[in-house]
Amino acid sequence: KAGVTQTPRYLIKTRGQQVTLSCSPISGHRSVSWYQQTPGQGLQFLFEYFSETQRNKGNFPGRFSGRQFSNSRSEMNVSTLELGDSALYLCASSLTIAGGNTGELFFGEGSRLTVL
Amino acid sequence: GQQVMQIPQYQHVQEGEDFTTYCNSSTTLSNIQWYKQRPGGHPVFLIQLVKSGEVKKQKRLTFQFGEAKKNSSLHITATQTTDVGTYFCAGHKNSNYQLIWGAGTKLIIKP
Repeated sequence: KAGVTQTPRYLIKTRGQQVTLSCSPISGHRSVSWYQQTPGQGLQFLFEYFSETQRNKGNFPGRFSGRQFSNSRSEMNVSTLELGDSALYLCASSLTIAGGNTGELFFGEGSRLTVL
Repeated sequence: GQQVMQIPQYQHVQEGEDFTTYCNSSTTLSNIQWYKQRPGGHPVFLIQLVKSGEVKKQKRLTFQFGEAKKNSSLHITATQTTDVGTYFCAGHKNSNYQLIWGAGTKLIIKP
């Protein structure tokens, strides 16, 4: 069974640009969560999608957005990039039932974004 | 900010010594999950505890969920170099789908 796939793995952008990151969950998983991780920091929750609907959102500015498609694949977008957006962005999928809490999370390898 | 406090932030141990990390929530959790992230890697699920007072073991790892379902601990006996990494706890509040994460405890083995 294929794991969670994130693309691209590495990317470099400049301030003011925008970036789109992609996440393909494990087949059958309908919940996708996104996290930001910076050196020495924990996992900062961005948002969670379930069946194309955003169920939860973390405390990030509106420059951070996401969506989920009917096949459960998800994308997140960061507009007007700032230096502080440099981080590892992790996607996780979960086998979650409707109305139920997120189960065990399966993380992808992450997309490492560097903003110059 | 973090609503689950996890301590310590770092722990340096000699190989063979024990290691413990603690998580405390101000509110009752419906469950607690534990993850391990190796250096340069991504978090990997270790276990989930659901019941009040639950204790689970995985070889040298012992996980506990408090009676009030507000705290949890992970204890590693006789650490090995393969245990190096950051251990995170994460729990659900009863009325919310969102996982609330601890800040992690980094286990460092002294050379």
